Order: sequence, then C-alpha cells, then structure tokens
Amino acid sequence: KNQVEQSPQSLIILEGKNCTLQCNYTVSPFSNLRWYKQDTGRGPVSLTIMTFSENTKSNGRYTATLDADTKQSSLHITASQLSDSASYICVVRPANDYKLSFGAGTTVTVRA
Amino acid sequence: EAGVAQSPRYKIIEKRQSVAFWCNPISGHATLYWYQQILGQGPKLLIQFQNNGVVDDSQLPKDRFSAERLKGVDSTLKIQPAKLEDSAVYLCASSPTSGGAGWADTQYFGPGTRLTVL
Repeated sequence: KNQVEQSPQSLIILEGKNCTLQCNYTVSPFSNLRWYKQDTGRGPVSLTIMTFSENTKSNGRYTATLDADTKQSSLHITASQLSDSASYICVVRPANDYKLSFGAGTTVTVRA
Repeated sequence: EAGVAQSPRYKIIEKRQSVAFWCNPISGHATLYWYQQILGQGPKLLIQFQNNGVVDDSQLPKDRFSAERLKGVDSTLKIQPAKLEDSAVYLCASSPTSGGAGWADTQYFGPGTRLTVL
C-alpha cells in the first residue's frame, strides 16, 4: 500500500525563524512529489513539484528537497511570516497510477 | 482565471438527513475530483470524473453517497442518509488532464464545504 508519512504533526515557530518539515513515502516508482499549502478554511494550493530526477525546487521562501533513494522529502520555510501559518501536505503521484497518495499534513503556526 | 467554486461553504444537518454539495470546476478542465478530508487527515479521493464519465469511484460509499457530472462541467455530490462519521470537509478539485506530466496534472482545489452531522 502506498503511504506518505509526515512529521512533525504540528509545530510552532516565531516569526522570522526557519523550519523544516519532513515527508517519508513508500510510493514506488513515483512520477512526482508535490507540497501543498492549505490555509484554514481553504483548499490546498500547490507550492512545488519535483520529479524523481530533481533534488530541489524553490518557490520564494519555500524550498523543497527530494532524495529518491531514501524516499524522503523536506520542505524548508525561510524567514517565516505570519501568513505561513497553514497545513502543509506532501502528495505523491505513482508512476503507474493516477491516484495521489496524500500525507496527513504538518500544521505550522507562526507567532509574532 | 476563476478558481474552483463550491457551495455551500458550511452545512450542519442531523444524522439520517440528506445533503448535496455543488462544484463548478475551472473552465476547460476535463477532470474533476471529490475528496473527503476528515480533521487531521489528508484528503481521501471519493470519485474522479473524466469529462462526464466516472474514472474511479472505488472509495465512494455507494450505499449513501452519489455523484454526477452532467454535461462534463458542474458536479454535485449527495449524501443520503448522512451519518455522524460523514462530518468532514468535502473538497472539489479539477485538473486539465488526469495523467499529464508535471504541471499539466496539477489539481486545483476549491475552498471546500465543511459538513457537520449532529
């Protein structure tokens, strides 16, 4: 069964600090891995997408990394802002299936 | 470009009642998805449409849930009768294709409908 595990479940950081979220997956082979940001009361929005051949992808202050050998990905948030408070979901698409595997998400709270 | 629209945003019903959700995808998107997101979990796919045909409804509880996508555009999801465990956010998403590469298969999500069953 394809699984996506995220850690930590939640974290609180002070505004201006950095943080890193982890995603471990068992999906293999996979087509791409995405990080979505889901604000409270809103639908998820795609932040980054990486194929198996890519190691890193940035979107502003968000940088995603991928290690296809260890099946791990991380999302690094630099100089956090209050607007970064949200749930961040790791999503993996298998290479041989259209069904996405979603992680449970990491809830980030940025405090002033 | 207008996003995915959903209504209502919130709904509170008692168990055994019926409820319907509506979704209008991004114009031109062939694929439409309905997800159920229980608090603290990632979204779970309920049904996927390609134009007006069903691609996958393997995780749809067909004894109580039904969905349709008439004319390959708007879609409705119905629950009849509702149970307490149906309390969740129901997300609708659309994508240009269902199996494209890279950004072509990006799913664009609506704001969701938060259902509370009492």
